[in-house]
Amino acid sequence: AQTVTQSQPEMSVQEAETVTLSCTYDTSENNYYLFWYKQPPSRQMILVIRQEAYKQQNATENRFSVNFQKAAKSFSLKISDSQLGDTAMYFCAFMKHPSRGGSEKLVFGKGTKLTVNP
Amino acid sequence: NAGVTQTPKFRILKIGQSMTLQCTQDMNHNYMYWYRQDPGMGLKLIYYSVGAGITDKGEVPNGYNVSRSTTEDFPLRLELAAPSQTSVYFCASSKGYQPQHFGDGTRLSIL
Repeated sequence: AQTVTQSQPEMSVQEAETVTLSCTYDTSENNYYLFWYKQPPSRQMILVIRQEAYKQQNATENRFSVNFQKAAKSFSLKISDSQLGDTAMYFCAFMKHPSRGGSEKLVFGKGTKLTVNP
Repeated sequence: NAGVTQTPKFRILKIGQSMTLQCTQDMNHNYMYWYRQDPGMGLKLIYYSVGAGITDKGEVPNGYNVSRSTTEDFPLRLELAAPSQTSVYFCASSKGYQPQHFGDGTRLSIL
């Protein structure tokens, strides 16, 4: 079974600075997807970024980028130019590739609470 | 676009009562999911469906039932509510291996 570990329960950062959230995972699969979801106080689950394991290039979405280290099974999220609206819980999630079965089920980590301070 | 709609948003139940959490999506997604989120934890999969008439258990299915009679709807049934089922429940949908779209959640308290 796959597991996802987020070792930082809470983090804080000053507005406009950069912060990195850590995520490690355990799997015997070679082909899979990794995600970062954001959950603000409104409780919505919002997709931040997605990485496909067979792609070596790290995914980026505006101020959000990942450092995907497949051999180390590490998938960290970097937020640049942090904004007050980035304050939220951030969840790392794993999904087996559909060709490997699993029906697109997500396995979530416990989350990291990020606070952006003015 | 409405996306994924969950009702109700909040509910308080007494131990032993039953209820159905409703979930509907208007994106013609074939996959639908139910998760629960306990305080300080990530989401855990309760049940999922890959299409109308097809459902399967996730990680934490005990105490719940689901049905999928249409593509749009995926209700979650609690038959005998227990305090351990106090949680926030999320419904999600996706098309194939595309990212899942989540509803706004239902906060359920069982007293």
